[in-house]
Amino acid sequence: EVQLVESGGGLVQPGGSLRLSCAASGFTFSRYWMTWVRQVPGKGLEWVANIKEDGSEEHYLDSVKGRFTISRDNAQKSLYLQMNSLRAEDTALYHCARNGAVVTAIPVDWGPGTLVTVSS
Amino acid sequence: DIVMTQSPDSLAVSLGERATINCKSSQSVLYSSNNKNYLAWYQHKPGQPPKLLIYWASTRQSGVPDRFSGSGSGTEFTLTISSLQAEDVAVYYCHQHYTTPPTFGQGTKVDIK
Repeated sequence: EVQLVESGGGLVQPGGSLRLSCAASGFTFSRYWMTWVRQVPGKGLEWVANIKEDGSEEHYLDSVKGRFTISRDNAQKSLYLQMNSLRAEDTALYHCARNGAVVTAIPVDWGPGTLVTVSS
Repeated sequence: DIVMTQSPDSLAVSLGERATINCKSSQSVLYSSNNKNYLAWYQHKPGQPPKLLIYWASTRQSGVPDRFSGSGSGTEFTLTISSLQAEDVAVYYCHQHYTTPPTFGQGTKVDIK
């Protein structure tokens, strides 16, 4: 069974940093693109970033480019999101997701999420 | 960025009746080289992560009940629940992955009438 468990969220002041982690199990982690998607409480879904199976390719939402960095450790079966220069508008529930094997661009299996709150 | 617009924002349907959700993209998400629409549908229930229902606009994900179906091409798409069940109460999102960044519609909330 695919399991994805996010951690690292919390309350941080504007301008601060957080590093989110996602522990994966139940599948061969190194064979899948991985994605971070966020949801502002009470609002919709927003794609944040994704990373290729071997970490050689990354893509970002324009509003997080230069502030967020996605990375992965295939040996540790873990996905990360380093978030710097955080803003109030980054407040959201952050989900990590495993992309599809057939449609590699779309999230298929999602974790429950970790809540990031940016506030003074 | 491609803007995805869903309609309606919410709807209430009687148990056993049909529910229809529309999604319009600001540009075509049909990839001509493989004739596939880069459009997916997700179901999101409170307190749970989103669940993939449909990809390539009309291909049902494994394990998804056949009362869920997707149709459309180019810029206009539809998710249909043929006979609404109580467990289908959720917010439904369309999602394009034709270009980066991938984008979601604003969501359609489905309730029981």
